[in-house]
Amino acid sequence: ELKVEQNPLFLSMQEGKNYTIYCNYSTTSDRLYWYRQDPGKSLESLFVLLSNGAVKQEGRLMASLDTKARLSTLHITAAVHDLSATYFCAVDRTTMGRRALTFGSGTRLQVQP
Amino acid sequence: KAGVTQTPRYLIKTRGQQVTLSCSPISGHRSVSWYQQTPGQGLQFLFEYFSETQRNKGNFPGRFSGRQFSNSRSEMNVSTLELGDSALYLCASSRNPSTDTQYFGPGTRLTVL
Repeated sequence: ELKVEQNPLFLSMQEGKNYTIYCNYSTTSDRLYWYRQDPGKSLESLFVLLSNGAVKQEGRLMASLDTKARLSTLHITAAVHDLSATYFCAVDRTTMGRRALTFGSGTRLQVQP
Repeated sequence: KAGVTQTPRYLIKTRGQQVTLSCSPISGHRSVSWYQQTPGQGLQFLFEYFSETQRNKGNFPGRFSGRQFSNSRSEMNVSTLELGDSALYLCASSRNPSTDTQYFGPGTRLTVL
């Protein structure tokens, strides 16, 4: 059974600081996604990582994937209040063309001014 | 381009009743997946449909069912509602199953009393 663990589960940080969210998964996967969820809202797709060593950046967020370590990171650079949200990683393990995303528990990020 | 739409947005039912939720995917998207989000269990995969066929199903009881129509719109049904079915039900669409990023709708908040 595929397990996806995120840490930390809660992160309070000050504006301007850097931090990293970690996503570990237990078996090989086809791709890994990062999503953002604002309170009471749906999930917004941030990144999809397809292969070992993949790195993607958008603004103050950078995601990377190490398939050998079964680890993805979401790095936040110089955080701003607008980044406050819950971030989920999701691992896609497609078997015989049948996809099912397995999500981590989410990291609730609170950026204090 | 319109996003994924879900109706209704909020629903209150009582135990033992049944409920039908609807999802209209992004135009051109033929794959629809459903997820349940609860504070205790997090985000869990329910099922995926493509070309009116269920391609994959998560670990949920038979009370949870779904279908997809020829226009790619999808419905999910929960019969004999239980208190534990209270959740945010999210629908996601993609062009094709297995390979494309899923885009999530706003969700239907179901409360079972």
